[in-house]
Amino acid sequence: AQKITQTQPGMFVQEKEAVTLDCTYDTSDQSYGLFWYKQPSSGEMIFLIYQGSYDEQNATEGRYSLNFQKARKSANLVISASQLGDSAMYFCAMKEEYGNKLVFGAGTILRVKS
Amino acid sequence: GAGVSQSPSNKVTEKGKDVELRCDPISGHTALYWYRQSLGQGLEFLIYFQGNSAPDKSGLPSDRFSAERTGGSVSTLTIQRTQQEDSAVYLCASSLVGQGRLPLYEQYFGPGTRLTVT
Repeated sequence: AQKITQTQPGMFVQEKEAVTLDCTYDTSDQSYGLFWYKQPSSGEMIFLIYQGSYDEQNATEGRYSLNFQKARKSANLVISASQLGDSAMYFCAMKEEYGNKLVFGAGTILRVKS
Repeated sequence: GAGVSQSPSNKVTEKGKDVELRCDPISGHTALYWYRQSLGQGLEFLIYFQGNSAPDKSGLPSDRFSAERTGGSVSTLTIQRTQQEDSAVYLCASSLVGQGRLPLYEQYFGPGTRLTVT
């Protein structure tokens, strides 16, 4: 069965520093995708970044990068140069290639300090 | 362009009443999903629609929950005889669907409907 584990309930980071949010996953499928979403206090879910299981390069989108270690089944999100607006809940999620749903982790609350 | 829209944004209902939640997906997105998010929790999958295929209802928590999608577009989630444990934010998402190979397409979420059962 699919499972996503986010072990950090909350994180603090100083403005302009980098932060890593941890995510490990479990699946028996070889083909799957990993996603990170941001949920600010307003409640909307904002897509940040995607990594396919066969992608050889780590995904990057602006200040977001995904540290994908397939053998360890981890897909950590790295946010560089943190900004106050990055304060939000961050969810890691996975979808198996032929599956019908995203499976979400419990989330990590990130607080950026000025 | 227009994103996923949901209505109402907030719904307060008495225990035992039925409620209907509406989702209007992004035009051209054939896949539609419903999720539920309880306070401070992650998202829980409820149901998935794809084109004319039979929906995947494997996430519906009880037979009080049902959903339909008319004309491959708008979807309605119905909760009958609401209970206090149904209180949550109900999120709808839509996406494109690939041809069965990676990469997968991201899901775009609506703003959600906050349901409170008193």
